Amino acid sequence: GDSVTQMEGPVTLSEEAFLTINCTYTATGYPSLFWYVQYPGEGLQLLLKATKADDKGSNKGFEATYRKETTSFHLEKGSVQVSDSAVYFCALSEKSQGAQKLVFGQGTRLTINP
Amino acid sequence: DTAVSQTPKYLVTQMGNDKSIKCEQNLGHDTMYWYKQDSKKFLKIMFSYNNKELIINETVPNRFSPKSPDKAHLNLHINSLELGDSAVYFCASSQDIAGGGTQYFGPGTRLLVL
Repeated sequence: GDSVTQMEGPVTLSEEAFLTINCTYTATGYPSLFWYVQYPGEGLQLLLKATKADDKGSNKGFEATYRKETTSFHLEKGSVQVSDSAVYFCALSEKSQGAQKLVFGQGTRLTINP
Repeated sequence: DTAVSQTPKYLVTQMGNDKSIKCEQNLGHDTMYWYKQDSKKFLKIMFSYNNKELIINETVPNRFSPKSPDKAHLNLHINSLELGDSAVYFCASSQDIAGGGTQYFGPGTRLLVL
């Protein structure tokens, strides 16, 4: 089946640093790609998504570009804030049993220090 | 205003007990899901329902039985709870059944089996 591999964490940065969290995927088709964020003690929130090759998803200063040639969807932010501390999940949508399911990476815990 | 809600938020119980988790979505979506997040934060799909019909069942033990009384509700009943069932269970919903539609997650139910 399809799979997602994320950069191992935890990642610790200082406020205003540049952030990259790597994500690569293996898929037989052309899945949609997502980044979800989980703040401490909360559920998952969609951060951004891209549905086809070369699409760029963006939200709250975060960006990720769907790169079919490198099967990647790396998350970037130019200047992180303490409030960005959370666990970030890369995911793809996979067709299964006639429906769609999300396949997640293992998550990357990000801590931003003031 | 909550889009996807779950009850209870926390559940502590003894091994061997039977428990239920409820999920409701007010987004008008046709498809609902249950995911399990283990202690290492890894997320994996368990079930998916579309218009009250089971469409994805990811080799989950048959002690887990989902029930969908209508398309806005998807409940999860667990019989004979085991220590390994301790996890966070997330409900989600989406509009598309087979497209790349975004899934919206509930806040999670933290289950601890003693």
